[in-house]
Amino acid sequence: EAGVVQSPRYKIIEKKQPVAFWCNPISGHNTLYWYRQNLGQGPELLIRYENEEAVDDSQLPKDRFSAERLKGVDSTLKIQPAELGDSAVYLCASSPDSTEAFFGQGTRLTVV
Amino acid sequence: AQKVTQAQTEISVVEKEDVTLDCVYETRDTTYYLFWYKQPPSGELVFLIRRNSFDEQNEISGRYSWNFQKSTSSFNFTITASQVVDSAVYFCALSEPSDSNNNDMRFGAGTRLTVKP
Repeated sequence: EAGVVQSPRYKIIEKKQPVAFWCNPISGHNTLYWYRQNLGQGPELLIRYENEEAVDDSQLPKDRFSAERLKGVDSTLKIQPAELGDSAVYLCASSPDSTEAFFGQGTRLTVV
Repeated sequence: AQKVTQAQTEISVVEKEDVTLDCVYETRDTTYYLFWYKQPPSGELVFLIRRNSFDEQNEISGRYSWNFQKSTSSFNFTITASQVVDSAVYFCALSEPSDSNNNDMRFGAGTRLTVKP
C-alpha cells in the first residue's frame, strides 16, 4: 500500500513570494491533516479535513495561508506571501478513522 | 485543553543500555488515544503505537515496551538493549476523538535519543 505522498520535498523561496505544497493521502483515508513542524519542536496542526470539508482550521493563519481538498482526495496548502518565519517542515497526514495518522515525508520550506 | 509534556529534551545512552522516554498528558475527556511516533533523520514520522484510554494493559513489541498509567497520566516508552538505529526524535501525542472540536492529534515537543556505539 502506498503511503502519504508529498511534494516537493524541499523548497527555497524569497520572502513575499507564494508557495504551494501538495499531498496525496493514502487511498480510502477520509481524514487529512496539515501540520507545521518548526525546528526542534513537535508538529502543530494547521488544518484538518474530513473528506472535502475543513472541520478544524482554527490554527491556520488565514491572512496568508489557504488550503483546499478538492473531491476529498488530494490537498494543497498555499502560503502567499511567505515570510521568514514560515520556514519549517510542512507535514501532511491521513487517517482512516480520525485516530491514528500516517505521515508523509514532509516538505522542508526555507524562506530567505 | 489537551497538553502533552515530554520533559526530556535530549537523552544519550550507550548501545545496549535500556532507556525510558517519559510522556505526561492532560485531558478532561474520559475517551482519548495516546500515541508514540519515531522521527528518524529522514524526517518522516513513523507510527509506533496507539493506546486507548480504556486499555491500561502494558504492551511489549520486541525491544519496545509501553507503560500506560492513568493514575499518573503517563504513557512512558522503554527501549530495551538500545541500538544505534534507535537514534531519532520520539514524539508522544494525544487525541480526543469524542470531541469533534478537539479531535486532532496534539504532539509533545519530542525527545531526541542518541544511542552511541
